Amino acid sequence: GAGVSQSPRYKVAKRGQDVALRCDPISGHVSLFWYQQALGQGPEFLTYFQNEAQLDKSGLPSDRFFAERPEGSVSTLKIQRTQQEDSAVYLCASSLGQGWDTEAFFGQGTRLTVV
Amino acid sequence: GDSVTQMEGPVTLSEEAFLTINCTYTATGYPSLFWYVQYPGEGLQLLLKATKADDKGSNKGFEATYRKETTSFHLEKGSVQVSDSAVYFCALSDRGSQGNLIFGKGTKLSVKP
Repeated sequence: GAGVSQSPRYKVAKRGQDVALRCDPISGHVSLFWYQQALGQGPEFLTYFQNEAQLDKSGLPSDRFFAERPEGSVSTLKIQRTQQEDSAVYLCASSLGQGWDTEAFFGQGTRLTVV
Repeated sequence: GDSVTQMEGPVTLSEEAFLTINCTYTATGYPSLFWYVQYPGEGLQLLLKATKADDKGSNKGFEATYRKETTSFHLEKGSVQVSDSAVYFCALSDRGSQGNLIFGKGTKLSVKP
């Protein structure tokens, strides 16, 4: 597709359930980012991939959060044993290059609600 | 650590009014600065950017100037339209980083006809 695609758009999970969120970046984009956006807040960085390598996972809030991009394209963010505080919109972004001045293209996000 | 502070919303304006959304930043290095916009039902889109002091980013009638002396990057538009109604996010990316963005909280703009 032309843009970054995320699925599902909405996910309701019971507390303690595991969830997997998918991101299809723009074809050929080297860099991929995951962000978490709580209600009324700006997005906060979770993790960064350059191709298949996860180079920065400093923003992951706990070891219940895990991300992968095994073939350097599609990425999955997995949250184990979901908690209510995990409720947020999860955004994926990709960019053609790497570095501080490259434009990031965002998906529409997955809204996760933990009940 | 690095941070971005932007004007709290919501902001409501009449069509053709002048818009300013204030943004200031704190950074240990020399960042690039961005404004992203999120229209209803859509993903974040880059509106404009500036990569060094005194640079002016501009797009769709919006402008912002990188002011290193005041650590600011205020967004302006001379005459807003109903179609500009959206949430606006100021963000920075540290030079030398992989490109991860630090965002402000966002400012919701509503333009009335």
